[in-house]
Amino acid sequence: AQSVTQLDSHVSVSEGTPVLLRCNYSSSYSPSLFWYVQHPNKGLQLLLKYTSAATLVKGINGFEAEFKKSETSFHLTKPSAHMSDAAEYFCVVSDLRNAGNMLTFGGGTRLMVKP
Amino acid sequence: GAVVSQHPSRVICKSGTSVKIECRSLDFQATTMFWYRQFPKKSLMLMATSNEGSKATYEQGVEKDKFLINHASLTLSTLTVTSAHPEDSSFYICSALRQGGSQETQYFGPGTRLLVL
Repeated sequence: AQSVTQLDSHVSVSEGTPVLLRCNYSSSYSPSLFWYVQHPNKGLQLLLKYTSAATLVKGINGFEAEFKKSETSFHLTKPSAHMSDAAEYFCVVSDLRNAGNMLTFGGGTRLMVKP
Repeated sequence: GAVVSQHPSRVICKSGTSVKIECRSLDFQATTMFWYRQFPKKSLMLMATSNEGSKATYEQGVEKDKFLINHASLTLSTLTVTSAHPEDSSFYICSALRQGGSQETQYFGPGTRLLVL
């Protein structure tokens, strides 16, 4: 069984300051991990994914995430927040052995960016 | 990136009617598509896995007779909410699984907001 915990339901930062969205996972096997972003009234957009290559993954819009197996974490970071980053972020785990490649979603973290 | 579309983007219907939502992969063929439901302020919940040419696989607690899924081609899956009721009001999102080499990635549609009056 696999599960994902996003430790913060809401995160508020000021524009230009760093962003940290936390994610911890559990998986029976070597997982694939993803971060998706959902802007209001929009569909999900893939930010980045980890699939057992480099542990530091760079994504779109300046976001990156580091896979830490010892801590079972996959936190999402960005050096400097922009107003357009305000959205809901989902950490997602997929067990490659899982038939159908079903994804397990975290509860989501709403990022608010203050001017 | 790959594109997945959904139609309609939003629909309002009367209680007791049926609503069909289409999910299309526009630039790749998808043997497998997924249907999710998102409740307000909640995460996505997987409803079912749609496989081209075979019956969908439903998650526990999802009524297959109420949420009819058809995956008749490699680029189209449909979800029909039959005899809709107000509690079916939600945001429905589909995704399509793109397979290429050793990697598979899900691409999500923009979602369909359903409001049942």
